[in-house]
Amino acid sequence: GAVVSQHPSWVICKSGTSVKIECRSLDFQATTMFWYRQFPKQSLMLMATSNEGSKATYEQGVEKDKFLINHASLTLSTLTVTSAHPEDSSFYICSAVGPIGRSPLHFGNGTRLTVT
Amino acid sequence: SQQGEEDPQALSIQEGENATMNCSYKTSINNLQWYRQNSGRGLVHLILIRSNEREKHSGRLRVTLDTSKKSSSLLITASRAADTASYFCATSYNNAGNMLTFGGGTRLMVKP
Repeated sequence: GAVVSQHPSWVICKSGTSVKIECRSLDFQATTMFWYRQFPKQSLMLMATSNEGSKATYEQGVEKDKFLINHASLTLSTLTVTSAHPEDSSFYICSAVGPIGRSPLHFGNGTRLTVT
Repeated sequence: SQQGEEDPQALSIQEGENATMNCSYKTSINNLQWYRQNSGRGLVHLILIRSNEREKHSGRLRVTLDTSKKSSSLLITASRAADTASYFCATSYNNAGNMLTFGGGTRLMVKP
């Protein structure tokens, strides 16, 4: 149980285009989801906290207008990278947590974004 | 910053040997978690140890936590080639235990 599905697993796009990444909790309701970014051979850095029905909370240094997060339902959060640039190329990973007490976090398999 | 640091950054051992990875952190925590990541994949939760616990076991995994030294260790015994992966510690510092800060990770290679 407690499966988080992330889609797509990889995507290649041209500079200036926008890319949407989906994070779904398949067998539980996730009131909160987290989005991370991971550069090669580096650790995960938290980008933002996505709460169902409210605005996302962004970490310092993360541009909210560039990385749009929508958590419209208890099972889906989306991250849209707008006007992507080559420096946005990275591995994006989401995680989901259910109601309080449902720990630990469950991670998606990540999305490899390459911007050409 | 709450971010933990891990050492070594990379570790190469022979199958059957034990692998020990260490993690240090800076401020008070609710719990500390260890995750595994295969190359280009998501994270798999391995074990969670709470701040009032000192040691925990799960199969071939043994985790210790020393809150006085703000450090933790992950021991994998009798390693297998399939254990080859990156291992991250993550500390939780909010009441719900879901805000995680990850360490830099240890890349483990187990040679058959």
